[in-house]
Amino acid sequence: EAEVAQSPRYKITEKSQAVAFWCDPISGHATLYWYRQILGQGPELLVQFQDESVVDDSQLPKDRFSAERLKGVDSTLKIQPAELGDSAMYLCASSTQNGRSEAFFGQGTRLTVV
Amino acid sequence: SQKIEQNSEALNIQEGKTATLTCNYTNYSPAYLQWYRQDPGRGPVFLLLIRENEKEKRKERLKVTFDTTLKQSLFHITASQPADSATYLCALDNQAGTALIFGKGTTLSVSS
Repeated sequence: EAEVAQSPRYKITEKSQAVAFWCDPISGHATLYWYRQILGQGPELLVQFQDESVVDDSQLPKDRFSAERLKGVDSTLKIQPAELGDSAMYLCASSTQNGRSEAFFGQGTRLTVV
Repeated sequence: SQKIEQNSEALNIQEGKTATLTCNYTNYSPAYLQWYRQDPGRGPVFLLLIRENEKEKRKERLKVTFDTTLKQSLFHITASQPADSATYLCALDNQAGTALIFGKGTTLSVSS
């Protein structure tokens, strides 16, 4: 069964350092989401792509976060510089039809900023 | 802006009983509503999707209702089992219909 792949699974970084996460969605899924989830909270949408285009990045802290999906397939989310408050689970998900179809999630990357 | 509330942070029930979880939304009318299950340290897993013109949907022991007048969805697990213990997330398409927005979740604990 096809899965959304994310790496790394865990990442510990010092504050002010740069960190990057990678996501490979299910083949053929045009929509790709990056969510951030703080313990005890629901996933918060950071950025959404439709193919290679950004559809929604209104909640992305653009002074330190960036995301790209250059060929409309895999995607990278970067934080530079990392802050203590960025410690969270970063989840990638993909779907065939934006918010009106089921989303398939990866295992997530657990980021700890020290 | 759209707001999603899952009323209970935690719900504790006994094995065999029916668990009922609530999702309320305000400020807009979503066309689609979804429920996901999330286990600790893992990504959410899709369970059910219901459209605004559907009142009820079932899948095995799961049932979802969607009341657009009350702006509420109820998620039922019948004959609950300890293996059903997890966090359940309600999700809606956003006002533009483009993205999926999640509630905070309700953590269900089923004791034997």
